[in-house]
Amino acid sequence: QKEVEQNSGPLSVPEGAIASLNCTYSDRGSQSFFWYRQYSGKSPELIMFIYSNGDKEDGRFTAQLNKASQYVSLLIRDSQPSDSATYLCAVTVDSGGGADGLTFGKGTHLIIQP
Amino acid sequence: DGGITQSPKYLFRKEGQNVTLSCEQNLNHDAMYWYRQDPGQGLRLIYYSQIVNDFQKGDIAEGYSVSREKKESFPLTVTSAQKNPTAFYLCASSVDAQSTEAFFGQGTRLTVV
Repeated sequence: QKEVEQNSGPLSVPEGAIASLNCTYSDRGSQSFFWYRQYSGKSPELIMFIYSNGDKEDGRFTAQLNKASQYVSLLIRDSQPSDSATYLCAVTVDSGGGADGLTFGKGTHLIIQP
Repeated sequence: DGGITQSPKYLFRKEGQNVTLSCEQNLNHDAMYWYRQDPGQGLRLIYYSQIVNDFQKGDIAEGYSVSREKKESFPLTVTSAQKNPTAFYLCASSVDAQSTEAFFGQGTRLTVV
């Protein structure tokens, strides 16, 4: 059974600070890792993906992957009130016939305090 | 504009009725997916399709059915066998089965009355 674990929060961060979101996964065969942002009542929006160990930066966002520890994180620098949302971590496992969909964590509710 | 369109945005169903949720994409994506989201929960996979005329059950397929007769369309039917259908339903697509970057439609909120 594939499982993805996230702290549900809420995680409260002052405006301008770094928000750090964490995610662990159970299936060592997981190959692709995604962070989605979801505003209340809206659909998820893909903000970052990472496939290899290490860091990947895109603007204010940095995704970090450590496959040995089965851990993936998302850092948001210079946090803005508009970053307040639920952040969903998702992973995929390619069983040989292509990806059979994403397995999601329950999400971390992030609040950026002005 | 290219994208994924789900309709309707809100849907009300009486107990015992079947309802069909529409999902259309003009992105020329091969793979399409249906997820369900309950309050405070992550998304759970209902069905997915990697190619036309083929689809696979996800983690919570019981009480649901799908078809994939056209590349652009992947409708989901919520049958009366689904005991707790009230939820937010999300359709997604990706370029192909090897591309796991999935993009979502705006969702359909289904309520049983």
